[in-house]
Amino acid sequence: GDSVTQMEGPVTLSEEACLTINCTYTATGYPSLFWYVQYPGEGLQLLLKATKADDKGSNKGFEATYRKETTSFHLEKGSVQVSDSAVYFCALSDRTGGFKTIFGAGTRLFVKA
Amino acid sequence: DAGVTQSPTHLIKTRGQQVTLRCSPKSGHDTVSWYQQALGQGPQFIFQYYEEEERQRGNFPDRFSGHQFPNYSSELNVNALLLGDSALYLCASSRSGARETQYFGPGTRLLVL
Repeated sequence: GDSVTQMEGPVTLSEEACLTINCTYTATGYPSLFWYVQYPGEGLQLLLKATKADDKGSNKGFEATYRKETTSFHLEKGSVQVSDSAVYFCALSDRTGGFKTIFGAGTRLFVKA
Repeated sequence: DAGVTQSPTHLIKTRGQQVTLRCSPKSGHDTVSWYQQALGQGPQFIFQYYEEEERQRGNFPDRFSGHQFPNYSSELNVNALLLGDSALYLCASSRSGARETQYFGPGTRLLVL
C-alpha cells in the first residue's frame, strides 16, 4: 500500500540556519503531496502542497518540489526562526486511495535563539 | 470564515465506556474524515464520510463508527473503550471537487483510564 517515510528527528538548529527535512513516498497511483505542521498542543495546519511532478509548493518561506523520478518531496527553508519550532508531517493523498491522507511519522524541529 | 471545529477539546473516560466526538467542517466543505493520532506518531486514517455515507475506512475495528448529518457535520463514536484508544482524534474536511486537500481541526484529546 501507499506509504510515506520521512527523516527521524528531532532536528535542532540555530536561528537563521538552513533546514531540510527529507521525505520519500511509495504510491500506486499519482498522488498529491503535502507538508503539514503541528505546533504544540494544536491540530495540523496545511503548510504547502504540490499536485503534479515538478510542481513546487511554497508558503511562509518553506518550499518543497514534487520529484517523481526520485519519489521525494523534501521540505526546505533558507533561514529558520524560533517560531518554526514544531512537528512537520509529510503526507500524500490520491484518488486510488479514496483520498484518505497517509502521513509520515513526523519530524520534530527545535530552533534555538 | 470559520475553520474546522471539534468538540469537546478534552475528554476523560474509563475502560468499557462509550464516547462521541463531534466535528463541524469548514464552510463550503462536504466531506469529513477522521484520524487517530497517538502520542509521538503521525495521524492514522479511521474513515471518511461524504453524502452521509461512509466512503472509505482504515484499519480500525467496528467499535469505531461514525455518522454524517445533512449539514455535513459529523460524529465519531467509539464503543467499549480500551486504554489504547487514548489519543488525539482529528477531524479533517474537504470539498468534493478537491478531496485530496484536507483542512484539520484542533482535535479532541481522549484519555482512557
